[in-house]
Amino acid sequence: GNSVTQMEGPVTLSEEAFLTINCTYTATGYPSLFWYVQYPGEGLQLLLKATKADDKGSNKGFEATYRKETTSFHLEKGSVQVSDSAVYFCALSGGSGGGADGLTFGKGTHLIIQP
Amino acid sequence: DAGITQSPRHKVTETGTPVTLRCHQTENHRYMYWYRQDPGHGLRLIHYSYGVKDTDKGEVSDGYSVSRSKTEDFLLTLESATSSQTSVYFCATHPRGLRAGTDTQYFGPGTRLTVL
Repeated sequence: GNSVTQMEGPVTLSEEAFLTINCTYTATGYPSLFWYVQYPGEGLQLLLKATKADDKGSNKGFEATYRKETTSFHLEKGSVQVSDSAVYFCALSGGSGGGADGLTFGKGTHLIIQP
Repeated sequence: DAGITQSPRHKVTETGTPVTLRCHQTENHRYMYWYRQDPGHGLRLIHYSYGVKDTDKGEVSDGYSVSRSKTEDFLLTLESATSSQTSVYFCATHPRGLRAGTDTQYFGPGTRLTVL
């Protein structure tokens, strides 16, 4: 079945540092890949997505590139801000493995940005 | 924002009691989902619905049942709550189902359930 592995935190960085959160996946076929963000006390919001190999998703200074050869979708940001502190989830959907119609999530990475 | 509301937002109950959580959407999306979120597990799919009266199981469906009598409402029932069902429950919707296209799911604000 499908699975997503992402680095677990907490990850603590200083403001303006470079951010990378690693995400790798296992799936047959061609899944779509997503990054969601959850701010304290809130639900999940879509941050960015990519639907085919070599696509780059981007939003609010965050980027991630769909790398089929390494089955990865790492999240990056050049200069983080305190307001980026949140939990980030990598997720996938689709592929050709059958099963339920739903997202498969990683365990989440808690990001803490210190001023 | 897909106009998804969940009720109640917080609930404390005792082991063995029945509990029903409600998800309501105003977007006329065909698919609706229930997930649970637990530390160290991320979100896991409990059940989903692909139309009125059409439901299917997800990864962690044991101990849960669902019903969908109207497009806009999807109910999650714990027939006899256990402490292991203490969690945050999220509802989500999708216009056509994830396998049908590249749109994303929209998530509700969550319900925090504590079973004592």
